[in-house]
Amino acid sequence: GENVEQHPSTLSVQEGDSAVIKCTYSDSASNYFPWYKQELGKGPQLIIDIRSNVGEKKDQRIAVTLNKTAKHFSLHITETQPEDSAVYFCAAPVNTDKLIFGTGTRLQVFP
Amino acid sequence: DAGVIQSPRHEVTEMGQEVTLRCKPISGHNSLFWYRQTMMRGLELLIYFNNNVPIDDSGMPEDRFSAKMPNASFSTLKIQPSEPRDSAVYFCASSLASSNQPQHFGDGTRLSIL
Repeated sequence: GENVEQHPSTLSVQEGDSAVIKCTYSDSASNYFPWYKQELGKGPQLIIDIRSNVGEKKDQRIAVTLNKTAKHFSLHITETQPEDSAVYFCAAPVNTDKLIFGTGTRLQVFP
Repeated sequence: DAGVIQSPRHEVTEMGQEVTLRCKPISGHNSLFWYRQTMMRGLELLIYFNNNVPIDDSGMPEDRFSAKMPNASFSTLKIQPSEPRDSAVYFCASSLASSNQPQHFGDGTRLSIL
C-alpha cells in the first residue's frame, strides 16, 4: 500500500547546529506535504507545509525542500534551540484525500 | 481562536466497559479526522468525515469501534466493549477540506484500559 518513510528516527544535535529530517513517499499523485511538531502531552502542530508547485519554502529557521522526481521531501531547522526538541512528523496525502504520516523523528537539542 | 477541543483528556476504565471520546472541531472546518497514536504503530487514521458524512472508515480496527458526527460541531468515537489493546492516545483533527489542507489537531485523549 501507499506509505511514507521517515529518517532518522532519532536525532541529537548541539544547540546552534542544523537538523535535517527526510521523508519519502510512494503516491506520485501526492501534491501537499506538511510537517508537524509534537511536544509531550500535546497534539501534532503544523509548522510548515509545501505544495508540489514549488521546490522550497522557508519560514524563519525552518525550511522544507521537495523533490517530486525522487519523491522525497526534507525538513531543515537551522540554528537549533533547546525548545526545538520534540517529535517531528512528515505526512503526504494518499488518493488525494487522507494523510499518511511518517513514523516520526525524535529531535533532541543539547544546550 | 479556539482550536480543536477533545474530552476527556484522560480516561482510565476496565476492560469490557464502553468508552466514548468527544471532539469539537474548529468552527467552519468541513472535515474531521480521528487518529490513534501508539508507540508500536505510530499515528494511524481511523476514520474521517466530510460535511458530517463518513467517507473512509477503513482504519477502524474492528466492529467494536464506531464514530458519529451528528452535526458540524461535534463528533464521537465509541469503543464497546473496550480491551487493553485499545490503550492509546486518540486524536481528533479538523480542516477546511479533506485534501491538501492543513489539519489542526486537538491535544488528544489518553485512554488506558485495565
